[in-house]
Amino acid sequence: AQSVTQPDIHITVSEGASLELRCNYSYGATPYLFWYVQSPGQGLQLLLKYFSGDTLVQGIKGFEAEFKRSQSSFNLRKPSVHWSDAAEYFCAVVTMDDKIIFGKGTRLHILP
Amino acid sequence: GAGVSQSPRYKVAKRGQDVALRCDPISGHVSLFWYQQALGQGPEFLTYFQNEAQLDKSGLPSDRFFAERPEGSVSTLKIQRTQQEDSAVYLCASSWTGQANTGELFFGEGSRLTVL
Repeated sequence: AQSVTQPDIHITVSEGASLELRCNYSYGATPYLFWYVQSPGQGLQLLLKYFSGDTLVQGIKGFEAEFKRSQSSFNLRKPSVHWSDAAEYFCAVVTMDDKIIFGKGTRLHILP
Repeated sequence: GAGVSQSPRYKVAKRGQDVALRCDPISGHVSLFWYQQALGQGPEFLTYFQNEAQLDKSGLPSDRFFAERPEGSVSTLKIQRTQQEDSAVYLCASSWTGQANTGELFFGEGSRLTVL
């Protein structure tokens, strides 16, 4: 069965520092992958998606993610975080029966 | 409205009560999804509609859960005889495409259900 693993439950970084959030997936073919962000009291918002083509995808708010088939990973990165990036981040994959399943999420904390 | 609207935002129910949660998707969106998000967890798939057809209900936890979208627009998730383990945020999402894998999901802010 397809699955998504986010190994880090919490990540804390200082404002202005770089960020990498990890995501590993289990899928037989080329996956469709997403990163969503959930700010407190808000609905989930799509940051970026990978369907095919260039393995480095750019998203909103200065985020990017790199698809690495050899590592079954789709890690989210940002060169310099802002206090407003504090939120919960979810990696997701589309299953063979056309459902989107989510990882358990990584909560990002920003130190001033 | 411009986004996915869910109501009520908060619902407190006594164990055994029936509840109904409403989702008003973005106008014209074909697909509608319900997810359940327990505290500290990611969203878990419940059910999926394409227009008025419920194509997948494999994620519904029990026969106490029922969802409908009779006219292919507004959807209602009904939970009968609520139990404490039903306490969660129920998220609705819609997409303009008929398939999850090609479309972005637009999420509502969720309905937080607390069962006492």
